[in-house]
Amino acid sequence: SQQGEEDPQALSIQEGENATMNCSYKTSINNLQWYRQNSGRGLVHLILIRSNEREKHSGRLRVTLDTSKKSSSLLITASRAADTASYFCATDRSGGGADGLTFGKGTHLIIQP
Amino acid sequence: NAGVTQTPKFRVLKTGQSMTLLCAQDMNHEYMYWYRQDPGMGLRLIHYSVGEGTTAKGEVPDGYNVSRLKKQNFLLGLESAAPSQTSVYFCASSSWAEQYFGPGTRLTVT
Repeated sequence: SQQGEEDPQALSIQEGENATMNCSYKTSINNLQWYRQNSGRGLVHLILIRSNEREKHSGRLRVTLDTSKKSSSLLITASRAADTASYFCATDRSGGGADGLTFGKGTHLIIQP
Repeated sequence: NAGVTQTPKFRVLKTGQSMTLLCAQDMNHEYMYWYRQDPGMGLRLIHYSVGEGTTAKGEVPDGYNVSRLKKQNFLLGLESAAPSQTSVYFCASSSWAEQYFGPGTRLTVT
């Protein structure tokens, strides 16, 4: 079963605008990760936020985590055409993360030039 | 550093045929994973390994077997391919939480 569910499923914005996508999950977690997948490629890790963190930044990325609502959001600021991709949230299946991740269905982001 | 590589990149099988997908990583990671991705879906875990000689079932293990004889390699076998196994297969490795993914193998079963 899918642990995380991203919202929206698809998002189209103009270059330079900010893009926000959300993720909800069902069970308690140790950390939550966001990955990017360009068409036809493997996933690339973007950022990890631990369960005791509320916000984290990395370049143009800002991730928030609300464990009381079991939700996270990914904000991409000043979007570029190269940001066009699918974005997935992923949570650890159990305690340490060694036994794999559970992914949501993803948000497909299109940046219009 | 090649990272995570997968062989082959594409394959077409007939129903009932068998095949092995090979994953190799050069990052000395302990943990390795096999996922499948179907259209409009996120990745689902098939099998994983937490070290050389160990394997464990993931979310969707039926119809697949795996082996981890060497730390750097993780093999995924399809014993008798079925059309429902048409998918894109991704291998990943990690030393902790962040996973590194291969480019994928696109498998079609007719």
